Amino acid sequence: GNSVTQMEGPVTLSEEAFLTINCTYTATGYPSLFWYVQYPGEGLQLLLKATKADDKGSNKGFEATYRKETTSFHLEKGSVQVSDSAVYFCALSGFGRGGADGLTFGKGTHLIIQP
Amino acid sequence: EPEVTQTPSHQVTQMGQEVILRCVPISNHLYFYWYRQILGQKVEFLVSFYNNEISEKSEIFDDQFSVERPDGSNFTLKIRSTKLEDSAMYFCASSSSTGFYEQYFGPGTRLTVT
Repeated sequence: GNSVTQMEGPVTLSEEAFLTINCTYTATGYPSLFWYVQYPGEGLQLLLKATKADDKGSNKGFEATYRKETTSFHLEKGSVQVSDSAVYFCALSGFGRGGADGLTFGKGTHLIIQP
Repeated sequence: EPEVTQTPSHQVTQMGQEVILRCVPISNHLYFYWYRQILGQKVEFLVSFYNNEISEKSEIFDDQFSVERPDGSNFTLKIRSTKLEDSAMYFCASSSSTGFYEQYFGPGTRLTVT
């Protein structure tokens, strides 16, 4: 079945540091890939997505590239801010019937940015 | 901006009781989902719903669970006889028929079973 593996946290960085959160996946076929972010006390928000190989998703300075050859979708940001402190989830969706596939999530990576 | 809403934000119930968690999806969305997140663990898919019937369900979604769209706006998850291990955050999500599986999540209901 489908699975997502992402680096364990917490990840603690100083403000303006470079961020990488690794995500690899196992799936049959060509899933769509997502990063969701969960701020304290809130629900999951879509951060970015990519729907085919070599696609790059980007939003709010975050980027991730769909790498089929390495089955990876690593999240990067060049200069993090304190406001980026949150839990980040990598997820994939299959290609089933009518868009009703459930997402498969990784365990989440807690990111802490210190001023 | 349209958003998914969920009520209540926190529900406390005794073991063996029935609970109903409520969700109002984004109004023009056609696909609806429930997920749960046990404290400290990953978000897990429970069930998806389309055209007034279950589309997919996970092995977690057993006979104790049911979903319903009782009217044009609400989407509910019922747990018939709650167990301690049902304590979790439950998230509702919805997606449009044309989205590339982009699901929009509500803020969640924290269910505590005592």
